[in-house]
Amino acid sequence: AQSVSQHNHHVILSEAASLELGCNYSYGGTVNLFWYVQYPGQHLQLLLKYFSGDPLVKGIKGFEAEFIKSKFSFNLRKPSVQWSDTAEYFCAVKRSSGTYKYIFGTGTRLKVLA
Amino acid sequence: DVKVTQSSRYLVKRTGEKVFLECVQDMDHENMFWYRQDPGLGLRLIYFSYDVKMKEKGDIPEGYSVSREKKERFSLILESASTNQTSMYLCASSPTPGTRSIEQYFGPGTRLTVT
Repeated sequence: AQSVSQHNHHVILSEAASLELGCNYSYGGTVNLFWYVQYPGQHLQLLLKYFSGDPLVKGIKGFEAEFIKSKFSFNLRKPSVQWSDTAEYFCAVKRSSGTYKYIFGTGTRLKVLA
Repeated sequence: DVKVTQSSRYLVKRTGEKVFLECVQDMDHENMFWYRQDPGLGLRLIYFSYDVKMKEKGDIPEGYSVSREKKERFSLILESASTNQTSMYLCASSPTPGTRSIEQYFGPGTRLTVT
């Protein structure tokens, strides 16, 4: 069965530190990839998405992610985090065809210390 | 902007009660989804619907049912609430695959407590 792994469950960083959150998926076919963020008390919102083309995707608030097909990975990065990036981050995968389902990872809680 | 609304932010129900969670989206999306979100488990799909009156089971459908009588509305029903259904319930919608914008849009969630 298709699955998504987020290896970092809790991450604590100081402001200005660099961030990289790992995401690996198990499906071998063509996929669409997403990162969502949930700020405290708010609803899930899209950070960035990958459909095709350039494997380096830029999203909102200075986030980017790189799709590495050979590694089945879609890691999220930010060069310098801010206190306001404190949130829970979810990676999601959807097969490009044949299903309506999105598979989510278990999430990574990021805490940024001021 | 797409808006997905859920009928309640917080709900407290007693064991054995029938519970209705309502979700409405205003962007004419074909697909709608119900998830539950639990700490350490991420989002788990309960049911989804790809058209009016059409539904499919997700990964954890036991104890739940759904209804989609109108395109914009998708209801989650707990036939007989139990304490292990205490959770955050998230509704989402998305347009039909084949467009570039197929990400899901989420509602604010309903935190359900069953006592």
